[in-house]
Amino acid sequence: QKEVEQNSGPLSVPEGAIASLNCTYSDRGSQSFFWYRQYSGKSPELIMSIYSNGDKEDGRFTAQLNKASQYVSLLIRDSQPSDSATYLCAVNGGGTSYGKLTFGQGTILTVHP
Amino acid sequence: DARVTQTPRHKVTEMGQEVTMRCQPILGHNTVFWYRQTMMQGLELLAYFRNRAPLDDSGMPKDRFSAEMPDATLATLKIQPSEPRDSAVYFCASGFWTAEAFFGQGTRLTVV
Repeated sequence: QKEVEQNSGPLSVPEGAIASLNCTYSDRGSQSFFWYRQYSGKSPELIMSIYSNGDKEDGRFTAQLNKASQYVSLLIRDSQPSDSATYLCAVNGGGTSYGKLTFGQGTILTVHP
Repeated sequence: DARVTQTPRHKVTEMGQEVTMRCQPILGHNTVFWYRQTMMQGLELLAYFRNRAPLDDSGMPKDRFSAEMPDATLATLKIQPSEPRDSAVYFCASGFWTAEAFFGQGTRLTVV
């Protein structure tokens, strides 16, 4: 089992729709969770962080965390063509992996006009 | 403008040569990560340091790769000897404990 798994994608949504990206993780002791966006040829850019169960909203982005289910998601409302990118879920481990930041394989999102 | 700085941005080298990549983490950050990204494998963690001490380098091929932090402002990743399969983009990222990590622009390595 991979440490961090994301829905395989690619995901294609029309402009203005909600894009939903999902991620599961295996380390129950994980402390912090992040979503990064990566445009082609660029480095990953942090867009959301979440540390406790529930929802966290920032503009059009909402991150959701459920530690009991070991599940974290990202919702993008009113999707724009500029949101087209690869989205990476990252998890900071606990226990002997404290502070080890592991990434999922990424989900390619395309927003079409 | 705090940012992670990586050099060089691009490197083309011949198989068997030594390659050194450098990273200057954001001032005040105590955790430094080295990642390798390829289309097939995605973003793989090679090694990470906290307060300059290596914590985990299990993702690195030990026979040819080495990572060090000679001081708090410099992290290095060396490959000796380099092989064509090492061709990838290498990223450095820095953070503070388990808070957000920020990435440098990467070093695109091509081994011919």
